[in-house]
Amino acid sequence: EPEVTQTPSHQVTQMGQEVILRCVPISNHLYFYWYRQILGQKVEFLVSFYNNEISEKSEIFDDQFSVERPDGSNFTLKIRSTKLEDSAMYFCASSDRTTSLRDEQYFGPGTRLTVT
Amino acid sequence: AQKITQTQPGMFVQEKEAVTLDCTYDTSDPSYGLFWYKQPSSGEMIFLIYQGSYDQQNATEGRYSLNFQKARKSANLVISASQLGDSAMYFCAMREENNNNDMRFGAGTRLTVKP
Repeated sequence: EPEVTQTPSHQVTQMGQEVILRCVPISNHLYFYWYRQILGQKVEFLVSFYNNEISEKSEIFDDQFSVERPDGSNFTLKIRSTKLEDSAMYFCASSDRTTSLRDEQYFGPGTRLTVT
Repeated sequence: AQKITQTQPGMFVQEKEAVTLDCTYDTSDPSYGLFWYKQPSSGEMIFLIYQGSYDQQNATEGRYSLNFQKARKSANLVISASQLGDSAMYFCAMREENNNNDMRFGAGTRLTVKP
């Protein structure tokens, strides 16, 4: 069964450094998402991406964040200058939704980002 | 404003019994979808069940069913015949037609199944 993959599984970085989290969505999916989950808290929407552009973003997704689909398979989340409060699990998801609300988003296993 | 509310931070259930996890939501959009996800200790998010706002019948998927009460804006998850492997965090989520790229999650309920 196809699945969303994410690398690395765990990233440790120093405050102020740039990090890139990588995701490979399911190959025939067109919609891509990033979510964040601070330890012990709920999953929070960051951004959605379709047709090579951001279609929606939350208030969390400020200028420090960017997303890119550099090729036909990868979908990346970049944090330019990490802060301690960026420490969280970051989930990538993808779906093949067209117009239906019944959009089962397939989640990757997550990347745990630790900022020290 | 909080769109999805899960009032039970933790729940316990005896193996083989049924359990209901509560979820209430807030929206003025007549068209929306409600989702439940399971997050085991390994961390991945697993889709369980979906209910559309216009669906006439409550959704069911195996041992999972959704008790959808539209007027009360509640979408409780019922797990029947609980198994030890059901122990996990459970998140309720909603997407609205007029904001349909943005899935909002509740705070989650940690379910522990006791042998």
